Amino acid sequence: GAGVSQSPSNKVTEKGKDVELRCDPISGHTALYWYRQSLGQGLEFLIYFQGNSAPDKSGLPSDRFSAERTGGSVSTLTIQRTQQEDSAVYLCASSLFRTQDTQYFGPGTRLTVL
Amino acid sequence: LAKTTQPISMDSYEGQEVNITCSHNNIATNDYITWYQQFPSQGPRFIIQGYKTKVTNEVASLFIPADRKSSTLSLPRVSLSDTAVYYCLVGFLSGYALNFGKGTSLLVTP
Repeated sequence: GAGVSQSPSNKVTEKGKDVELRCDPISGHTALYWYRQSLGQGLEFLIYFQGNSAPDKSGLPSDRFSAERTGGSVSTLTIQRTQQEDSAVYLCASSLFRTQDTQYFGPGTRLTVL
Repeated sequence: LAKTTQPISMDSYEGQEVNITCSHNNIATNDYITWYQQFPSQGPRFIIQGYKTKVTNEVASLFIPADRKSSTLSLPRVSLSDTAVYYCLVGFLSGYALNFGKGTSLLVTP
C-alpha cells in the first residue's frame, strides 16, 4: 500500500512569511508524528497526534509552530513568521496506534528560509 | 524525561561485525527498544525492536541485558550500503516524548 507522503518536497520562503507543510499518513494509522532535522543534527520531536486525543505539543520550539490533524488523517504543520533558523527538513511519520509501534516516515519537506 | 546515549560515530571495514550500544538508564517497565536506520536524504526506517534478551531478524540482532539499561545493535558482516545513521529509541507509554537524538553515524569502508 501507499506509504506516508509529504508535500511539498521542497519549500523556499522569505523570512517573515508563513508556511504550511502537509502530511498524508498511511491509511488506518491512528498515530502521527512531526519531527525536524537540521543540517547535521538528529531528529527533533515536534508534535504527536494519537486518534482524537489532545496532541502532545511538548516538542514545538515556539508559539510560531502549530499543527492540526483533520478527521484523524491528514496533518498540516504551520510555521508563522518564519526565521532562518527554521530551515530544516521536516519529517512526518505515522504508526498504527502508539509510540511503541513501528513508525513509518515520509520523505520529508526541505524548508529553506532566506 | 529519560534519554538515550549512543556513540556519535563509528567506523568499520566491509565484512566486519558492527556492534552499536545504546544506554537507556531510565527505561520504564513497559518500554520497548527500537532501532532505526537513516540514509542521507531519506526518512528513518525501522530495523529491529525488542523488549528483553535477544531478537534477530534478517538484517540485525538486538541484545538486551537483564536490567534493560542498555541495548546493543549488531550488524553482521557490514557492507558499504550499511553506511548510515542508526538511532536507538525507547518508547514510553505514559508521556509521548520521542527522543531520537543524533544517533550513531556508521561509516563502512572497503
